[in-house]
Amino acid sequence: NAGVTQTPKFQVLKTGQSMTLQCAQDMNHNSMYWYRQDPGMGLRLIYYSASEGTTDKGEVPNGYNVSRLNKREFSLRLESAAPSQTSVYFCASSQGAQETQYFGPGTRLLVL
Amino acid sequence: QKEVEQNSGPLSVPEGAIASLNCTYSDRGSQSFFWYRQYSGKSPELIMSIYSNGDKEDGRFTAQLNKASQYVSLLIRDSQPSDSATYLCAVVTSGTYKYIFGTGTRLKVLA
Repeated sequence: NAGVTQTPKFQVLKTGQSMTLQCAQDMNHNSMYWYRQDPGMGLRLIYYSASEGTTDKGEVPNGYNVSRLNKREFSLRLESAAPSQTSVYFCASSQGAQETQYFGPGTRLLVL
Repeated sequence: QKEVEQNSGPLSVPEGAIASLNCTYSDRGSQSFFWYRQYSGKSPELIMSIYSNGDKEDGRFTAQLNKASQYVSLLIRDSQPSDSATYLCAVVTSGTYKYIFGTGTRLKVLA
């Protein structure tokens, strides 16, 4: 039982490059989330998926897209990376919207 | 006004003392409250959840909720150096059911 897994762990991009962050959970959770964490800013919600087939914007969605591929997988895409997107990205999942969220190990992204 | 507010700290306490962490929130209709612990370079992990007014105890940890005053606190008894971490308060808002995290309080337990 791996919980929530994320790939890659680290990534360095040049401005304008694109990439997809992958997230998968094996807890049969309905809801999945993408956050970014910056020093002094706490965790900020980028996008979330309340259930398979639905996605909604969070607090900071600009520059990102998401896909809920199936119940297990939720990916985050940066179409044209910018230095402002340098951050640590966490994926999380929960059984329901008001329940405990379980976090993946994070992806450290540096955009040059 | 931020939706969830925490003092960023650092809060320094000696080993064996009680650490008191506080969080206030703005949405009076919020029903679900969580405390997460995050070690440096790691992901957040759940410490406690609380849904009703009053105290909830789990080992050395006690969460306290006061909905009338819109605050939730976490007490850590017999603090250990291994408790040194950032503690994040999270509140689920009414209506949209979005998780809102505070910016966290950094706790240092001095040996």
